[in-house]
Amino acid sequence: DTGVSQNPRHKITKRGQNVTFRCDPISEHNRLYWYRQTLGQGPEFLTYFQNEAQLEKSRLLSDRFSAERPKGSFSTLEIQRTEQGDSAMYLCASSHDGGSYNEQFFGPGTRLTVL
Amino acid sequence: AQTVTQSQPEMSVQEAETVTLSCTYDTSESNYYLFWYKQPPSRQMILVIRQEAYKQQNATENRFSVNFQKAAKSFSLKISDSQLGDTAMYFCAFMKHASGGGADGLTFGKGTHLIIQP
Repeated sequence: DTGVSQNPRHKITKRGQNVTFRCDPISEHNRLYWYRQTLGQGPEFLTYFQNEAQLEKSRLLSDRFSAERPKGSFSTLEIQRTEQGDSAMYLCASSHDGGSYNEQFFGPGTRLTVL
Repeated sequence: AQTVTQSQPEMSVQEAETVTLSCTYDTSESNYYLFWYKQPPSRQMILVIRQEAYKQQNATENRFSVNFQKAAKSFSLKISDSQLGDTAMYFCAFMKHASGGGADGLTFGKGTHLIIQP
């Protein structure tokens, strides 16, 4: 298993454009999480899925953000009408129910820059 | 809602020294987990050590150990015999025990930038 992967690793876009990020969790991990990390801060929880069901959404997840996990495997995070304040590192993590301490394994992140 | 506070933005020690990173948290939950994550420069976050709130014994993983004071809501990380490869951002994180088992979202502190000098 190669761990959690995220694509693209870097994305530069202009304000007002839509962007979509992809996360592939560790195989057979049924839980998948999205976090956002701005410069000099710790990651902030956005949302998480158990299989294909989105179980929790943070207040940080505005109407412009949408996340899906259609078949309970990979997930996508879409940001519509991007704003400069959306510039951040977007981290994905996965875990397995019943796994050791419910440990979350993180991917390398997608760094978004909105010009 | 939970909060996690790391009061040391940056620390610097010499190689082979022992260093302690502090973390305090606030919660009304009684059943939860605490973690220390390491984020090396331009690399992904990895778990260093974890503690279940109901366990009184402090967790230890090789050179890493914690001092968990539940009543004081304190969770410090001690790194013994520090190595150059320990240079990284260290994040303290809280996770409540989700109902029905399984995991919940993590609440992170702002991090401590640890620099190990040769």
